[in-house]
Amino acid sequence: AQSVSQHNHHVILSEAASLELGCNYSYGGTVNLFWYVQYPGQHLQLLLKYFSGDPLVKGIKGFEAEFIKSKFSFNLRKPSVQWSDTAEYFCAVNTINTGGFKTIFGAGTRLFVKA
Amino acid sequence: DTEVTQTPKHLVMGMTNKKSLKCEQHMGHRAMYWYKQKAKKPPELMFVYSYEKLSINESVPSRFSPECPNSSLLNLHLHALQPEDSALYLCASSQEGLGSGSRYEQFFGPGTRLTVL
Repeated sequence: AQSVSQHNHHVILSEAASLELGCNYSYGGTVNLFWYVQYPGQHLQLLLKYFSGDPLVKGIKGFEAEFIKSKFSFNLRKPSVQWSDTAEYFCAVNTINTGGFKTIFGAGTRLFVKA
Repeated sequence: DTEVTQTPKHLVMGMTNKKSLKCEQHMGHRAMYWYKQKAKKPPELMFVYSYEKLSINESVPSRFSPECPNSSLLNLHLHALQPEDSALYLCASSQEGLGSGSRYEQFFGPGTRLTVL
């Protein structure tokens, strides 16, 4: 079955610490990969995405992610987090199927950054 | 305008009621989606419309009935729901919905919080 795993459900960091959130998916076909973020009181929005080309992609607010095809992974990184990065982060995978594609979300990681 | 709007924000309904959720976007997107999100869980895909045609139905019970009257509007008709259907219902849209459209990000609305008594 197609699935997306996020390894950390809750992460607490101090400001200026580095962040890495893991994401692995299970699907043998073509995928397109996304990280979405939900800030407190706001709706889901795109952080970054990968569909082809350079496997290291950069997104908004200093976030980046690396697609490693052999490991079925798409980990999110930020060298130095800020208090304003406190949010829930979802990895999502679009798997191409007959008739279109399906979007599968990981369980999410709640990040709390201490000021 | 990069906004997806959803109405109502909150809805409380009994198990015998009929109600509808509404979603609207004016970005010219040709794909629209309904998701269900329970507390502390990720969004789960329910339906996908591509070019106003239903392309994906994730085995959703028939008490949920989607409708796409035009490319900007998406409705979800609710009838005879159960208490376990209480959740946040999210609408999203993206530029395309067919295979090649999988590379496009989805724009999400704020959701309708549904409570079934």
